[in-house]
Amino acid sequence: NAGVTQTPKFQVLKTGQSMTLQCAQDMNHEYMSWYRQDPGMGLRLIHYSVGAGITDQGEVPNGYNVSRSTTEDFPLRLLSAAPSQTSVYFCASRRGGGGETQYFGPGTRLLVL
Amino acid sequence: GNSVTQMEGPVTLSEEAFLTINCTYTATGYPSLFWYVQYPGEGLQLLLKATKADDKGSNKGFEATYRKETTSFHLEKGSVQVSDSAVYFCALRSANAGGTSYGKLTFGQGTILTVHP
Repeated sequence: NAGVTQTPKFQVLKTGQSMTLQCAQDMNHEYMSWYRQDPGMGLRLIHYSVGAGITDQGEVPNGYNVSRSTTEDFPLRLLSAAPSQTSVYFCASRRGGGGETQYFGPGTRLLVL
Repeated sequence: GNSVTQMEGPVTLSEEAFLTINCTYTATGYPSLFWYVQYPGEGLQLLLKATKADDKGSNKGFEATYRKETTSFHLEKGSVQVSDSAVYFCALRSANAGGTSYGKLTFGQGTILTVHP
């Protein structure tokens, strides 16, 4: 299993540009999610999905869109990048249930100028 | 709402020293508790977990016990190595997660551990 994969690893954008961060998992997990990691703030949930066709907002959804057309893929779209979106983004997946382990991708480092 | 508080870092130790990273939480009911580790330049990996009170999670010499009476899940290791240098995150998930109730992970702010030879 490749686990959770993310592309790209690093991206530089100019303010106002749009882009899509890709995430895929091959573990047939129902739940997928996107987090952003900022210094001193831990990880904060952006959007999540409990299955194909079902998405919902997390703590910090503004400026981001998601879709889940297949079980495997969960792309994150930045509609109009802002410097405040400079961060490290992690995709994660897991099975349902409170005690299930969450598996994280390697992260995408985004710099918005 | 749920919250997780970790001891302030960074923590700097010499090799073979004893490690404790404190973690306390606020949540309703009986959440599941986790410790994740992030090595430089990598994503988060599960280190250990406990899903009910008095459970002890352990892995790679690290241990943490789910203490409901003190709402704590402190991470300990008896003898740290240079390779343990990383950022450690305590996290919890509500007990009623499942189905369409996503049950997001709530993270602490992370503790940077540096171990010197």
